[in-house]
Order: sequence, then structure tokens, then C-alpha cells
Amino acid sequence: QKEVEQNSGPLSVPEGAIASLNCTYSDRGSQSFFWYRQYSGKSPELIMSIYSNGDKEDGRFTAQLNKASQYVSLLIRDSQPSDSATYLCAVLSGYALNFGKGTSLLVTP
Amino acid sequence: DAGVIQSPRHEVTEMGQEVTLRCKPISGHDYLFWYRQTMMRGLELLIYFNNNVPIDDSGMPEDRFSAKMPNASFSTLKIQPSEPRDSAVYFCASTLTGAGHEQYFGPGTRLTVT
Repeated sequence: QKEVEQNSGPLSVPEGAIASLNCTYSDRGSQSFFWYRQYSGKSPELIMSIYSNGDKEDGRFTAQLNKASQYVSLLIRDSQPSDSATYLCAVLSGYALNFGKGTSLLVTP
Repeated sequence: DAGVIQSPRHEVTEMGQEVTLRCKPISGHDYLFWYRQTMMRGLELLIYFNNNVPIDDSGMPEDRFSAKMPNASFSTLKIQPSEPRDSAVYFCASTLTGAGHEQYFGPGTRLTVT
């Protein structure tokens, strides 16, 4: 069974702070990693993909990957109340995505 | 361009009835995935297709579940007979070979079986 683990939260951060979301995975052969954001009652929305070790930045979002440690993280800078959502980590195995159960983020004004 | 389209958005049915969920992938995408999401189990892959051919159905929970993709622009997920434990949100997603396996999700169908 290929596991993807996330802390369920909720993770509460004040507006303007950096939110740090973490994910570990069990499949050492995985090469592609994704972060999805899911608002309550909505579908998952792709916000970041990362394929190589290191950092990848897109606006206020930075994804970090360490394949040796089997660890993926997402940093959200200058957090806004609109960032309050559940963040799902997904790891590609073959052509299928294995999802973690998500971390609930609450950004307080 | 239109995203993934699913219908119906909500379905309420009685135990034992047949349920059919529908999905239209993004035009040109050659992979289509069906997922189920519950609070207890999270987001689970049920089955996926490549060029209309089922590739992996190991996530389909029981023989009561079946999926078809008769052409590149349409897929169905059928549950017959339905049971209360099938209540969940069912998502369809699609992607394109060579696009980094980035999957795009439809709005989902919320199924309630009473």
C-alpha cells in the first residue's frame, strides 16, 4: 500500500504569516508530486506540481521536495483568509495519484 | 476552454436503485479518472482510462460498480444496486499525456443513498 501522510490539522495562522504544510510518502519510486487546494463543498484545484529536488516558487506558493527523505512541503507566504481550505498532497505512482487526507488550514484576520 | 463536466451535481436515491454518474473530460485529454471522496477514507481512485480503455480498476470496491468510456468525450460510472455506504462525492478528473500528469477535476457528484 502506497501511503501519503499529512497532519490533518487544523493549522491556524494569522493573516500575513507563512503557513507551512507537510507531507510524507512511502513510494521511493515516485517522481511527481502535487498540491491541491479544496474549499469546502468544492472540487480539488491544482495549485503546484514539483518533480525535482529543491524548491519551486509560484507567486505566494513555494513547494519543496526532498526525495531522499520522502518529504514534500508547501509554504504559503503572506497568508490570506481566502487561503483557508484543505490542502491535499498527491503522489504519482504509475499514472495514478495517491492522495493524503489533507491538512485543514485556517487563516485568521 | 471548458473544464471537466459532471452530471448530475447531486443525486439522492433509495437503496437498491441504479445510479449512473456522467463525466465529460477536457477536450483532447487522453486520461480519465474516477475518484470517490469520503470523510473517513479521503480521496480514493476507483478506475482510470487511457484512450477510452480501462487501465486499472483495482480501486472499484465491488462488482456493483462499473465504468465505461464509449468515446473520448464521455464516461459513466454506474452503481447497481446502490447501498447507503456508497454515499460520497464522486469526482472525475482528466489529464493529457506529456502534461506532467497534472490532473484537473470536475465539480463532483454528491451521492446520497437512503
